[in-house]
Amino acid sequence: DSGVTQTPKHLITATGQRVTLRCSPRSGDLSVYWYQQSLDQGLQFLIQYYNGEERAKGNILERFSAQQFPDLHSELNLSSLELGDSALYFCASSEGAFSGYGYTFGSGTRLTVV
Amino acid sequence: KNEVEQSPQNLTAQEGEFITINCSYSVGISALHWLQQHPGGGIVSLFMLSSGKKKHGRLIATINIQEKHSSLHITASHPRDSAVYICAVRDNYGQNFVFGPGTRLSVLP
Repeated sequence: DSGVTQTPKHLITATGQRVTLRCSPRSGDLSVYWYQQSLDQGLQFLIQYYNGEERAKGNILERFSAQQFPDLHSELNLSSLELGDSALYFCASSEGAFSGYGYTFGSGTRLTVV
Repeated sequence: KNEVEQSPQNLTAQEGEFITINCSYSVGISALHWLQQHPGGGIVSLFMLSSGKKKHGRLIATINIQEKHSSLHITASHPRDSAVYICAVRDNYGQNFVFGPGTRLSVLP
């Protein structure tokens, strides 16, 4: 157990739907990062939150949004889902805003859009 | 040209061999990361480098900022090292991450 908890582990949903993925960071970590891993595009960075504030943004679609709550857990919301959104979504956490001490990854949520 | 390239794409080694995986990048960076992705999909962060060299157990990572190149070395390789090794760079502003395509390593007993 890495200390980073992602739920659910698997999710199957239909096109056009909206889903929420949840991440609880390792105890003491203030940063949460979201990544998408698809077969054709590899790993892509979506967004980072640090202590409740958006810190950095990558290739996140407008249909996707995220937030970090006061208890530091984070949620990634994916809406108007398309077949191409099927992927593994990873969350990672780190102590600081700049991951000088490396990250801890969760085990991922596998999203299948049918 | 991709911003982050890795070589080789695939690597098969015999147990005990010394292994080198290379990463080259074309953008200015604030840090470079090496990640290990196990066959089951889990990802482990191995190193974060901004200069020089780091060692952890049988793993050594080096970076040459001037040449925009990093290497990951595995000494005395073992079948449990079989995984995909991914290089990732964070841009100069500490904003975006760009990932390499990964190197798939198989270590045979």
